[in-house]
Amino acid sequence: DGGITQSPKYLFRKEGQNVTLSCEQNLNHDAMYWYRQDPGQGLRLIYYSQIVNDFQKGDIAEGYSVSREKKESFPLTVTSAQKNPTAFYLCASTLGTGGGYEQFFGPGTRLTVL
Amino acid sequence: DAKTTQPPSMDCAEGRAANLPCNHSTISGNEYVYWYRQIHSQGPQYIIHGLKNNETNEMASLIITEDRKSSTLILPHATLRDTAVYYCIVLRAGGTSYGKLTFGQGTILTVHP
Repeated sequence: DGGITQSPKYLFRKEGQNVTLSCEQNLNHDAMYWYRQDPGQGLRLIYYSQIVNDFQKGDIAEGYSVSREKKESFPLTVTSAQKNPTAFYLCASTLGTGGGYEQFFGPGTRLTVL
Repeated sequence: DAKTTQPPSMDCAEGRAANLPCNHSTISGNEYVYWYRQIHSQGPQYIIHGLKNNETNEMASLIITEDRKSSTLILPHATLRDTAVYYCIVLRAGGTSYGKLTFGQGTILTVHP
């Protein structure tokens, strides 16, 4: 089945630790995105990548880093510099960045900092 | 990208049509209207999108007014599993929007028996 997978579903981390969230897609999509969602809020864009080996900061990139070494993979690292990392993290992908393309989302990773 | 306005909540009886309105009065000619929904603790699910014409798929229908300043998402026979937050989003084709979806507060649709 084609789709986007994120792992793990739940993640717990101690303060001061870096943690990496996985996102994989087998849809052959060029563009991939990371969003963050806080309780009762909409999604906010962290990073996006339109093509392999290229990525750009979104609206709330501070304290996060990404890589795009393969088309199907777009991991997100939450660093210790992120002041309030507890949130629901969503990965998405789309075939193109113009209008008219569906953006597909993964099931999300819920990160809790202890 | 144009801003959207949606009612914060709506109710619908199971089996009836759910009509969810969205206002996007500042929409420009090359901006699409997208609808997504999010069931609690899951990733958003794409529903439908359109530019000018009305659209229909297996999930829903999208009615866009002639002046494109508003639209309505129609779920023809709502079920309890349609209870979710519904987001109306306007997305520009190409340009600097790079496909970013801007999610507002959405409409909480509650389908009751």
